[in-house]
Amino acid sequence: DQQVKQNSPSLSVQEGRISILNCDYTNSMFDYFLWYKKYPAEGPTFLISISSIKDKNEDGRFTVFLNKSAKHLSLHIVPSQPGDSAVYFCAASADNFNKFYFGSGTKLNVKP
Amino acid sequence: NAGVMQNPRHLVRRRGQEARLRCSPMKGHSHVYWYRQLPEEGLKFMVYLQKENIIDESGMPKERFSAEFPKEGPSILRIQQVVRGDSAAYFCASSLHRGGQETQYFGPGTRLLVL
Repeated sequence: DQQVKQNSPSLSVQEGRISILNCDYTNSMFDYFLWYKKYPAEGPTFLISISSIKDKNEDGRFTVFLNKSAKHLSLHIVPSQPGDSAVYFCAASADNFNKFYFGSGTKLNVKP
Repeated sequence: NAGVMQNPRHLVRRRGQEARLRCSPMKGHSHVYWYRQLPEEGLKFMVYLQKENIIDESGMPKERFSAEFPKEGPSILRIQQVVRGDSAAYFCASSLHRGGQETQYFGPGTRLLVL
């Protein structure tokens, strides 16, 4: 029962271009969404979040877009840098949940 | 301002042995979550604890797995009689308040290998 899905296991982008990572969810109760970045042999690092009352949140090079009607969110990284190469997980929760549901991750490779 | 600490970072056990994984939350955080990541998969929730209380253990296997978060000391995830299928990365996260719209901060994980 995969409530959060990341259908692209990998993405390759040229340095300086935009990276777009996608995430879909099925549970309409979810009202808080996060993106985490993970390097090998390390724990996930929080990147950016968005509440369901918004449709966009921006932090520097990172912007998260939320489309509630489509149950879809995306992370835009622009411009992409080689140091952005990592696995990106989206996660979702609801106010009355005690846990996050994670997608399976998208491995981003930014080529110099 | 230490982050979430986990130890050991790597743990090797033979089938049938016990594994104990420790997690010290960030300073001031009283909410701890354990997740498991199998190879090529995302993180799967296991259990949510507050000090001396298990709040949600809906992701814990019914047998062999237990967790605690005592009044003093780290949270412990205990796996008895380990099997090869328990080999995974186990991550602990902590938050200032309960889940929902509160960001969870993750430790570096413990990689368990069962031989």
